[in-house]
Amino acid sequence: SQQGEEDPQALSIQEGENATMNCSYKTSINNLQWYRQNSGRGLVHLILIRSNEREKHSGRLRVTLDTSKKSSSLLITASRAADTASYFCATDASYGSRLTFGEGTQLTVNP
Amino acid sequence: GAVVSQHPSWVICKSGTSVKIECRSLDFQATTMFWYRQFPKQSLMLMATSNEGSKATYEQGVEKDKFLINHASLTLSTLTVTSAHPEDSSFYICSALWRYEQYFGPGTRLTVT
Repeated sequence: SQQGEEDPQALSIQEGENATMNCSYKTSINNLQWYRQNSGRGLVHLILIRSNEREKHSGRLRVTLDTSKKSSSLLITASRAADTASYFCATDASYGSRLTFGEGTQLTVNP
Repeated sequence: GAVVSQHPSWVICKSGTSVKIECRSLDFQATTMFWYRQFPKQSLMLMATSNEGSKATYEQGVEKDKFLINHASLTLSTLTVTSAHPEDSSFYICSALWRYEQYFGPGTRLTVT
């Protein structure tokens, strides 16, 4: 069964705007990761945040983790049309263990 | 480094036939590989965990006799969909574990007619 939910399910914004996606999970985690998937393609790893971290940055990406609320958010700043994709969070209970994916957010960035 | 390939990238087969999908770690050895299935506009669902030299561990609800997994070497795991039916049409993605991280293959699109 899926670990949790992501919201929104779909997000449509204009180029240059920021996009925020949220992920919730149900059980204790070791790591939380965010992936991007272009339509019909494989997964691209974006960023990993450990359970003892609260915030992490990578380029235009900012991820936060609130373990007390069992939730995470992914912020993409200054979005581009090329950011159009589905975004998934995935959690694991320990290093190297199975990943459980959220439902995903379909992001559309309009030029 | 840490590249995973899948073959074929897409396949169309007739109902009742079997299809084999390969997952290879190209530049590392992986004792553990994972197989996921993704239906259109849905998330990835773990089907099974494949360990080299031992039987795969299947997730609840996944038929082990229908989805045969073989992990005969440290760089190759195969998923065989036996007696495929249209409802097996899906996107199958594998990942290989290396240094505690999963590296994903590009996926295989299976269409059963």
